Amino acid sequence: AQSVTQLDSHVSVSEGTPVLLRCNYSSSYSPSLFWYVQHPNKGLQLLLKYTSAATLVKGINGFEAEFKKSETSFHLTKPSAHMSDAAEYFCVVSDREDTGFQKLVFGTGTRLLVSP
Amino acid sequence: EAGVAQSPRYKIIEKRQSVAFWCNPISGHATLYWYQQILGQGPKLLIQFQNNGVVDDSQLPKDRFSAERLKGVDSTLKIQPAKLEDSAVYLCASSPGQINTGELFFGEGSRLTVL
Repeated sequence: AQSVTQLDSHVSVSEGTPVLLRCNYSSSYSPSLFWYVQHPNKGLQLLLKYTSAATLVKGINGFEAEFKKSETSFHLTKPSAHMSDAAEYFCVVSDREDTGFQKLVFGTGTRLLVSP
Repeated sequence: EAGVAQSPRYKIIEKRQSVAFWCNPISGHATLYWYQQILGQGPKLLIQFQNNGVVDDSQLPKDRFSAERLKGVDSTLKIQPAKLEDSAVYLCASSPGQINTGELFFGEGSRLTVL
C-alpha cells in the first residue's frame, strides 16, 4: 500500500518569507501525488498534482512542488508567504486497489502559520 | 456550478444515539466518497461509491456505520450506535469518474461531537 509522511505538524513563517512543507512518500510503483489545502471550516481544495509528466509542478496561489524519485519526496514550496496562506496542507498519494479503482491516501497534515 | 452540499454542518449527540449525514454531490459526478477526519489527523476513506455501487468499504466499521447512495446521486451516512471515538468531521467528496486526474471536490463537512 502507498503512504505519505509529512515531516512537520506545524510550520511558522513570517509574511513575505519562503514556505517549505515537506512530504515523503512510499510507493511500489510510480505514484500520483497531490497537495490539498484546507482553510478553517472550509472543504479541502486541490493545490496541485503530479502524474508522471513534468517533475516540477505548478499549482494555484503561487505554490509549486517538485517530485524527486531518488529522495522519494514531494515537497511543497512558495517563494513568498501571504497571510491568506495560513491553513492545513495535506500531502496525498493515489493508491490503486485490487479492483482497479484508485483511492487517495492522505498524510497527517501540516499546519502553516503566517505571522505579520 | 454548485459544489458538494452536506448537512447538517454540526451535530452533538450522546453515545449510543444514532445520527445521519446527507451529501449531495456535484451534478453528473459518478463517484462519491465519505471520509472521516479525526482532529489532528488526515482524512480517512470510509466508503467509495461508483454510481450506486460500492467500490471500497474496507475501512467502514460495518457493525455501526452504514451508507447508501440511492439512484446514484445523493448519499446518506449513518452511525448507530455512536461511540465517543466517532467524534470527527465527516467529509463528502465527489469526482467525475475514477481518480484519473486526482481531483476530488469536497464539501465543507459535518462535524460530529459524541458526548
